[in-house]
Amino acid sequence: EAQLVESGGGVVRPGGSLRLSCAASGFIFGDSGMSWVRQVPGKGLEWVAGINWNGGSKGYVESVKGRFTISRDNAEKSLHLQMNSLKAEDTALYYCVKGTSSNWFEHWGQGALVTVSS
Amino acid sequence: IQMTQSPSSLSASPGDRVTITCRSSQTIEKSLNWYLQRPGRAPSLLIYAATNTQSGVSPRFRGSGSGTDFTLTISGLQIEDFGTYYCQQAYSGPPTFGLGTRVETK
Repeated sequence: EAQLVESGGGVVRPGGSLRLSCAASGFIFGDSGMSWVRQVPGKGLEWVAGINWNGGSKGYVESVKGRFTISRDNAEKSLHLQMNSLKAEDTALYYCVKGTSSNWFEHWGQGALVTVSS
Repeated sequence: IQMTQSPSSLSASPGDRVTITCRSSQTIEKSLNWYLQRPGRAPSLLIYAATNTQSGVSPRFRGSGSGTDFTLTISGLQIEDFGTYYCQQAYSGPPTFGLGTRVETK
C-alpha cells in the first residue's frame, strides 16, 4: 500500500526558510510524478508545486515562484520542498501527493503544518 | 482555470441520493477529478478523468460530464461519506480545485 510521510514542518518567522521532506513507500517512486498541495486550516486546496519522475520538469503556482524549490531523490525515495522568503500567507498544512498537474492526485500524506508568524 | 462547485454545503441522511456539480471557466474536456476529505483527514481520490472510479472506491460514487459541466452522484449515502468534496481540473496550467461542497448530516 502506498504511503507518504511528511516531515520538517514547524513555526518560522516571516522571511525565514523551511525544508519539507516526504518519505515514500509502497509504490515505484522513481516512475511517479509528485506534487505538494497545501491547505489553510478550514479552507480549500491549492496545488503548490510538481515534479516529473526524473526531476527534469518542475512547475509552481505563481505565488511561490522564485521562493520555493521542489526536488526529489529517487535513490532515497524522497521528495522535498525548500521554502524561502516565507510569508504569513504561506501558513498551511502541506501535503505530499503522488501525481502531477496533468493527471490526478492518487495518494496523499497526512500533511506537515507550516506556520509563518512573528 | 476557475472551478465552481455547487452547492457549497448540503444536509443529507444516510440512504439519500446526493448530487454535486462542478463547472469550469473554460472547457477541460474530461480532465476532471473528484476527492473526498473526511474531517481531520487528508483528501482521497474518488473519481478520475471525469468518469473513472478509483480502485477501492465504492461504485455508489459516479462521475459524469465533459467540457465545462460535471456531476458527482452518490447513490445511497453512507455514514463514512460525510465530509467535504472537491473537484479539480488537470487540463491546463496549474491544477485548480473548487472551493468544496460540505456534506453534513441532516
